Amino acid sequence: DAGVIQSPRHEVTEMGQEVTLRCKPISGHNSLFWYRQTMMRGLELLIYFNNNVPIDDSGMPEDRFSAKMPNASFSTLKIQPSEPRDSAVYFCASSNRDRVYEKLFFGSGTQLSVL
Amino acid sequence: DQQVKQNSPSLSVQEGRISILNCDYTNSMFDYFLWYKKYPAEGPTFLISISSIKDKNEDGRFTVFLNKSAKHLSLHIVPSQPGDSAVYFCAASSGSQGNLIFGKGTKLSVKP
Repeated sequence: DAGVIQSPRHEVTEMGQEVTLRCKPISGHNSLFWYRQTMMRGLELLIYFNNNVPIDDSGMPEDRFSAKMPNASFSTLKIQPSEPRDSAVYFCASSNRDRVYEKLFFGSGTQLSVL
Repeated sequence: DQQVKQNSPSLSVQEGRISILNCDYTNSMFDYFLWYKKYPAEGPTFLISISSIKDKNEDGRFTVFLNKSAKHLSLHIVPSQPGDSAVYFCAASSGSQGNLIFGKGTKLSVKP
């Protein structure tokens, strides 16, 4: 298996622009997570899906952030409009929640820089 | 308010010696704990885990200890190797949750 695939690896954009991050989870996994890593806050959960349904989006910082999972093999995280404080590394992870306490598998992340 | 705390941002250890990374948690509902390792420009990768019914789990050079009464866990690496240099994240979850709560991480440097 190729693991969790994220794109792009790096994104540089200007303040006010729309940014879309993409994720392909591991085949067969039924839960998908979006995390954001910053120096100040470490790894914080933004949102997670189970069977394509958003379960907990309490970590989404503002209405500028939205996430979708149209099918079991694809998810997007969109920021519109982007701001410099959104600069961070965004990770997608997946797991199989049919097994209790199944560990998460992470993608390589998207390094986002908003100028 | 952080539910999982790693109070040491960094740790430096000599090769061959023991590395001890610490983690504290506040939520008594947590019953499963994990350690992840992260190299630069890569995603975190699973290292070792422990459930609350145990107080120790060992995997090769890595051992995790859990003290439920103190709400504290630690990761021991013996002997430490330069390749162990990375950021280590402690994470916790409960059976009723689907997500992991992470600490801020500890950067371990193992010097030859």
